[in-house]
Amino acid sequence: GQQLNQSPQSMFIQEGEDVSMNCTSSSIFNTWLWYKQDPGEGPVLLIALYKAGELTSNGRLTAQFGITRKDSFLNISASIPSDVGIYFCAGPNYGGSQGNLIFGKGTKLSVKP
Amino acid sequence: NAGVTQTPKFQVLKTGQSMTLQCAQDMNHEYMSWYRQDPGMGLRLIHYSVGAGITDQGEVPNGYNVSRSTTEDFPLRLLSAAPSQTSVYFCASRIQGAHNEQFFGPGTRLTVL
Repeated sequence: GQQLNQSPQSMFIQEGEDVSMNCTSSSIFNTWLWYKQDPGEGPVLLIALYKAGELTSNGRLTAQFGITRKDSFLNISASIPSDVGIYFCAGPNYGGSQGNLIFGKGTKLSVKP
Repeated sequence: NAGVTQTPKFQVLKTGQSMTLQCAQDMNHEYMSWYRQDPGMGLRLIHYSVGAGITDQGEVPNGYNVSRSTTEDFPLRLLSAAPSQTSVYFCASRIQGAHNEQFFGPGTRLTVL
């Protein structure tokens, strides 16, 4: 079945550094979603991508829909302590029905002040 | 709008006990779903519903029942709790066909002893 592989699994960075993470799929996607989960909360949608090559920003966050349609990237510039959390990529599960989402296992980000 | 609400926030059960996790949304979303989140496993789909009166199984449905008598509510029932069901449970909803952008509740942390 479809799988999403996220890397890295975790990151420990200094405040002010830039962050890059990525997500790869075993099959082609036509939608990529990036969510952030704050500690003790549910995931919140950050960015949605709908077209190969698309580059979309949300404040200091920028995400790209890979040209091959099998990958996506999320960058965070000038990280701050509130960026701490788990970042998930997600995409439609074509093996299921009704457009269910499948999620990567997440990238856990820690920021040292 | 309250968005997606879940109760309780925390619950401890003994093996064999039953309970119902409540989920409600006030956005008139047709699609609702339940996920469980375990360390290192990401979010896995338990059950979902595309509208009142319609439910279907996700990736990990065993040990859980759902029903959808109204658009607003989508309770998740554990008939006989097992330690393997210790997890954090998230309910989510979205407009049917809305590019899969889902809105999540705050989660229920369940411990089964």
